[in-house]
Amino acid sequence: EVQLVQSGAEVKKPGESLKISCKGSGYDFATYWIGWVRQMPGKGLEWMGIIYPGDSDTRYSPSFEGQVTISADKSITTAYLQWTSLKASDTAVYYCARGGVVVAETLTAFDIWGHGTMVTVSS
Amino acid sequence: EIVMTQSPLSLSVTPGEPASISCRSSQSLRHRNGYHYLGWYLQKPGQAPQLLIYLGSNRASGVPDRFSGSGSGTDFTLKISRVEAEDVGVYYCLQGLQTPPWTFGQGTKVEVK
Repeated sequence: EVQLVQSGAEVKKPGESLKISCKGSGYDFATYWIGWVRQMPGKGLEWMGIIYPGDSDTRYSPSFEGQVTISADKSITTAYLQWTSLKASDTAVYYCARGGVVVAETLTAFDIWGHGTMVTVSS
Repeated sequence: EIVMTQSPLSLSVTPGEPASISCRSSQSLRHRNGYHYLGWYLQKPGQAPQLLIYLGSNRASGVPDRFSGSGSGTDFTLKISRVEAEDVGVYYCLQGLQTPPWTFGQGTKVEVK
């Protein structure tokens, strides 16, 4: 079964660092893009960035560039999203998603989603 | 950055009746290869989003045929031919033509009466 399994909920204080994970299984992890999406409480979906685990090619939304770091370790089929200094406004659910639909060599859709990781930042 | 605008933002539908959601983009989503890089996703209550439609009109694997997507250029529509109780949730369109960033619409909340 193709799936993405995300790490568990986190509760952190402002200023702390955090790294959450997304482990892929059931497919060739290195050859599919992995994207990260934020959903703040009661709000819509925001695309943060994407990484190709095969060569770690990473692209960020301008809104998130410099705020987070996306990485991946293809040897353990895991992608990561990390913060060096959390803010209360980082409180959200974070989803990873596989860029599994590629047409004419262009990624077109995200077909498999993780269950989400709830991150709460509060003093 | 391409801006995606959905309407309506909420919809209440009687089971068995049709429903339609519109998504407009600030720029054409037609790639030079002829495809439109527009997808539709459904986020059911308490769940992760799931892919319904890709390239504007192609149903994803396992998606019931009561869901259909259409449109071109900047105007796209998701139609549900006969709404069922399990279709409740928030529907999002997502453009993938000019990236980064990929951009979502605001979401349309569908309730079943």
